[in-house]
Amino acid sequence: DTEVTQTPKHLVMGMTNKKSLKCEQHMGHRAMYWYKQKAKKPPELMFVYSYEKLSINESVPSRFSPECPNSSLLNLHLHALQPEDSALYLCASSQGDRPGQPQHFGDGTRLSIL
Amino acid sequence: RKEVEQDPGPFNVPEGATVAFNCTYSNSASQSFFWYRQDCRKEPKLLMSVYSSGNEDGRFTAQLNRASQYISLLIRDSKLSDSATYLCAVGMDSSYKLIFGSGTRLLVRP
Repeated sequence: DTEVTQTPKHLVMGMTNKKSLKCEQHMGHRAMYWYKQKAKKPPELMFVYSYEKLSINESVPSRFSPECPNSSLLNLHLHALQPEDSALYLCASSQGDRPGQPQHFGDGTRLSIL
Repeated sequence: RKEVEQDPGPFNVPEGATVAFNCTYSNSASQSFFWYRQDCRKEPKLLMSVYSSGNEDGRFTAQLNRASQYISLLIRDSKLSDSATYLCAVGMDSSYKLIFGSGTRLLVRP
């Protein structure tokens, strides 16, 4: 069982909808991540939060908006997505006191854009 | 040249076989190395970290060769349940970013 919990597991939305993906961890980790993964491709980093501050944005389009309300929670707000944004969205966390530590993934949200 | 490269496979081996995968990285400043296992339509799961001295966890052995800039994963006595995609990930101490390889697919047949 994963210690990083993501909701919802599946999401279907239209291009004009607004929705949010949620991620929660209770391991005391201080770094949290959002990844996007397309079929048969590796995970691609989108955002990194370190101690609740955004530290990396990999030039992600503004229709994706991350939020870190506290050290245990990470949200990804979605608005006006495109069909090519359909993918598996993975949240991960690491201990966070320094870079280079292993990341632990949630089981993902499978997103389909109609 | 990709930052992290893996042979996509598939590696098709019988149960009980020993199989090894390599993963090459281009940035000599890389300092942290990991192997993940990913089953179809599931999340990557951390298999093991790779240390300079090499490390072993049961049937799995990981090694790092800094001179040639690659890491390896050896699986002994393969089980049907080892069938999965194995992703390597490489990071630097200056960044929280991990770069993933595209993965090597392993199929273990009865």
